[in-house]
Amino acid sequence: GAVVSQHPSRVICKSGTSVKIECRSLDFQATTMFWYRQFPKQSLMLMATSNEGSKATYEQGVEKDKFLINHASLTLSTLTVTSAHPEDSSFYICSAQDRGRLTYEQYFGPGTRLTVT
Amino acid sequence: AQKITQTQPGMFVQEKEAVTLDCTYDTSDQSYGLFWYKQPSSGEMIFLIYQGSYDEQNATEGRYSLNFQKARKSANLVISASQLGDSAMYFCAMREGRAAGNKLTFGGGTRVLVKP
Repeated sequence: GAVVSQHPSRVICKSGTSVKIECRSLDFQATTMFWYRQFPKQSLMLMATSNEGSKATYEQGVEKDKFLINHASLTLSTLTVTSAHPEDSSFYICSAQDRGRLTYEQYFGPGTRLTVT
Repeated sequence: AQKITQTQPGMFVQEKEAVTLDCTYDTSDQSYGLFWYKQPSSGEMIFLIYQGSYDEQNATEGRYSLNFQKARKSANLVISASQLGDSAMYFCAMREGRAAGNKLTFGGGTRVLVKP
């Protein structure tokens, strides 16, 4: 089945530093990847849509300069949280859409738990 | 207005019994897709089942079935013969038409706890 990996699974960083999270589709090509944020006991909120070779499309209210997204290849998208602050602490999940499937099913990575101290 | 509504924040179910998780949606698109995902405490999102708006038959995947009532805009998930491992958060999600970029909108989730 389709597998999406995320790295790192957990990261603790100090306030003011930047953190990069990688999302990879391991056995399929993903022209589109999505980045979500999930606060404890809440649902997933879409942050941005990442298309290979083009600029990401951000959802309303998401700061582009703070959450930098790069989708350099058909199997890799990265999310960089710049100048992180404690309020950025959250669970970040990526998903990848299998271009070969008509159902537009999204396969999710295992998530990255970010803690900013 | 909420696009995806899950009215049950939490449910208890006895092991081996069936449970129905409610999901209603709101869209003006004719073409859309409905998904159910399971999220255990580990955090990963596990795809369970998919229903396309043009599918005439209700989707089934093993112990999971989707009760799709298009006129009522509901897409309830039925889990038969519940197992302890079914304890998790369950999210209903909708993909609207292509113009929306195939984005998924999630409901608030329902936490299911299976009792032995």
